[in-house]
Amino acid sequence: GAVVSQHPSWVICKSGTSVKIECRSLDFQATTMFWYRQFPKQSLMLMATSNEGSKATYEQGVEKDKFLINHASLTLSTLTVTSAHPEDSSFYICSARDGGTGGYEQYFGPGTRLTVT
Amino acid sequence: AQSVAQPEDQVNVAEGNPLTVKCTYSVSGNPYLFWYVQYPNRGLQFLLKYITGDNLVKGSYGFEAEFNKSQTSFHLKKPSALVSDSALYFCAVRVSYGNNRLAFGKGNQVVVIP
Repeated sequence: GAVVSQHPSWVICKSGTSVKIECRSLDFQATTMFWYRQFPKQSLMLMATSNEGSKATYEQGVEKDKFLINHASLTLSTLTVTSAHPEDSSFYICSARDGGTGGYEQYFGPGTRLTVT
Repeated sequence: AQSVAQPEDQVNVAEGNPLTVKCTYSVSGNPYLFWYVQYPNRGLQFLLKYITGDNLVKGSYGFEAEFNKSQTSFHLKKPSALVSDSALYFCAVRVSYGNNRLAFGKGNQVVVIP
């Protein structure tokens, strides 16, 4: 149980285009989902927290107009990187909290490698 | 602010030897602590957590962790390391009560030498 998927697993796009990454909880309802960014050999940096049906809460320094997050249902959240630039190249990981169990741990997706050329 | 620290960058251990990955925490109130493991180009996998109760917590893949309040530590341990345990290990602490946001340590690369 507690499986989180991400799609795509990797994507290459040209500078100036937009890319959408999907995060799905497959066997539980995720009242809260989180989006992280990870640079090589570094820790995870929390970008934003999203609750189903409401606007995402962004961490300080994260541009909300650049990183659009939508959490339209209890099993799906999307991250759209708008007008991507090479500096946006990174490993993006989502996680979800199982609202049904009330557990405190987060379950992570496998990550999406974004390369902007 | 709630935070965790992982003082070592890399832990090298021979296969079959005990493995310890260190984590110390700084929180106000009771800490909710977690360990995750990450394999190359993958997301994080949950290993174990401490919320309350016994100080020794048992988790997945033979790992356990000991919560030590006096030393503010939550070290991850495995009695006998396997080559397949080579990965990046993250300690984390809950930093908000409403949505259970986590703060992660910098991570420790564990290398198990055959």
